[in-house]
Amino acid sequence: DADVTQTPRNRITKTGKRIMLECSQTKGHDRMYWYRQDPGLGLRLIYYSFDVKDINKGEISDGYSVSRQAQAKFSLSLESAIPNQTALYFCATSPQGITDTQYFGPGTRLTVL
Amino acid sequence: GENVEQHPSTLSVQEGDSAVIKCTYSDSASNYFPWYKQELGKRPQLIIDIRSNVGEKKDQRIAVTLNKTAKHFSLHITETQPEDSAVYFCAASTNSNYQLIWGAGTKLIIKP
Repeated sequence: DADVTQTPRNRITKTGKRIMLECSQTKGHDRMYWYRQDPGLGLRLIYYSFDVKDINKGEISDGYSVSRQAQAKFSLSLESAIPNQTALYFCATSPQGITDTQYFGPGTRLTVL
Repeated sequence: GENVEQHPSTLSVQEGDSAVIKCTYSDSASNYFPWYKQELGKRPQLIIDIRSNVGEKKDQRIAVTLNKTAKHFSLHITETQPEDSAVYFCAASTNSNYQLIWGAGTKLIIKP
């Protein structure tokens, strides 16, 4: 779905480096989410945002921060990357309520050495 | 906290047979239960969902059933085909913070 995009698609970095993952959407949705996916653990919510001024921590926010620069843009930062943050990261959007479909981006594969 | 347990983690079925994946949730206030399919290397996509005021919902070869008393719901796929091979995730809404809690996923393998 080209309406939710993520950059970069792949990133290899070293322990201690600061990393930013970016998400953009052209769907006009208010809600945006950042998940990480690990084998056997499914999707775990890192942060979510209901609108530009409303940002909330998810299940596993430690070590991460986010910025909602505009309705269409939601960035995830790893302030000081560590190896156990190696994972596949997905951004998602949804129109409004919790019962609305979430539309995922293509994912960013992050490797921390 | 709230959690969703999903079983089995891997399911292998013969092409043409049926597949059933089960999820159990802990939050009795959950009222929305979606299922997402993730093909290899692709992003998760919604395939079917059910709300707590409905016991069953069907869409061609897939169906979802909900047992609110037992707090579990299941995905049923009939007449499985090779393109059904994927990882399937269940999720449940939680009213405490207006988000979805996800199961760990089931890898479905369709044997030719």
